[in-house]
Order: sequence, then structure tokens, then C-alpha cells
Amino acid sequence: TQLLEQSPQFLSIQEGENLTVYCNSSSVFSSLQWYRQEPGEGPVLLVTVVTGGEVKKLKRLTFQFGDARKDSSLHITAAQPGDTGLYLCAGVPGTYKYIFGTGTRLKVLA
Amino acid sequence: NAGVTQTPKFQVLKTGQSMTLQCAQDMNHNSMYWYRQDPGMGLRLIYYSASEGTTDKGEVPNGYNVSRLNKREFSLRLESAAPSQTSVYFCASSGQNIYAGELFFGEGSRLTVL
Repeated sequence: TQLLEQSPQFLSIQEGENLTVYCNSSSVFSSLQWYRQEPGEGPVLLVTVVTGGEVKKLKRLTFQFGDARKDSSLHITAAQPGDTGLYLCAGVPGTYKYIFGTGTRLKVLA
Repeated sequence: NAGVTQTPKFQVLKTGQSMTLQCAQDMNHNSMYWYRQDPGMGLRLIYYSASEGTTDKGEVPNGYNVSRLNKREFSLRLESAAPSQTSVYFCASSGQNIYAGELFFGEGSRLTVL
């Protein structure tokens, strides 16, 4: 059973546009991570958020953990072709299990 | 700096055949994981090993077995492969025990079952 739903599933935008990806669940997580995956490679960690309401910024990427620790968002400002990839959220429910979301495939056109 | 190494990278099996996917990490991590990735499904956890000597089922364990051979190695076995097991398999490891540490992934093993 997939506990984390991401939206949108696919996103194709022009360079310079802004976008937001959502990660939603009915379950509470002790922390939540975002990964980016490029073709032929494994996912690579972008950020971990652990406190409800926490906001973290990584250059043009802004990550937010919901107050109730059930959801998260990733906002990209002025997207660039190098941002193209599969974005995955992963929730940790307090054990060693990492539960991944369904993924958002982003394509940024030059 | 190898990180997480998976073998083989590609494999084609016939229905009913068996095979083992190997995974090794050189980061002295305690926890290791096997995921499968299918289109539109993200990554689904098959089995994990929180520490050497322990293994636990994930979301989709049916049809698979695992062995935590030592701290470095965690293998995934398909005893009787089925077409539904066609997928890309990822091994991952993590070094932290309490809060979610970073997962380090291998490059994946692409398995096709005919």
C-alpha cells in the first residue's frame, strides 16, 4: 500500500518558470526527505525535514514540512534544464522503514 | 570511493528461474534496503535489514528472500521468477539509527522476466 501520494505525476515547463510539487499522506512521519533521480542512476538526497512547519532552502529549491507532519512541498524558483529529473519524497514513520512517494517527473525545456 | 555496488546491472530470466541480486556497501552502514521501482509507482520497499543479523519485510516481500551476509553485504533472491517481478531493483544503505539518515543508493539492477 502506497502511503505517499505525489502531485503532479508529470510536469513539463519552460526554463525560468516556477513550480511546486506536493507530497501528501494520511500518516504522520517523524521526518521526510526529498530525493532527485536521474536516468540510469539511483536517487540522491536533496534534503531532510524533521520538524512540523519547517522550511529549508537549497539555492532555488524550497522545502516545507506540514505542521501536522503528514505532507510536504517542494518549490523550485526559476527552473533550469539541470533541474530535470524524477523527484521523490520519502517518509520515515519512526522506524527504519523509508516509504517513498509515487514520484514527480519534471522536464524543464530550454 | 565505491559506495553501494550492485550486481548484476542487467539480467534476463525465464519464468520459473531463480537468481540472486548482490549488494555491497563500503561505508560501514548499519541499515540496508532493497527497493523495486516500477513506472508510476515510485520506489517500493521489499525487505530491509536494520542491522547485521536482522531482516524485516517491507511493502512488497512476496516472491523474494533476503540474506544479510555480514555488515557489508545484503542479497536479494528470487526463487521462482515471475513476469510481475520485471522491474529495476535498487539497493540502499544508511548509517544512522534514530532519525532518518541519508539513504545511499546503488545504480540499480534491471531485471526482465520473460
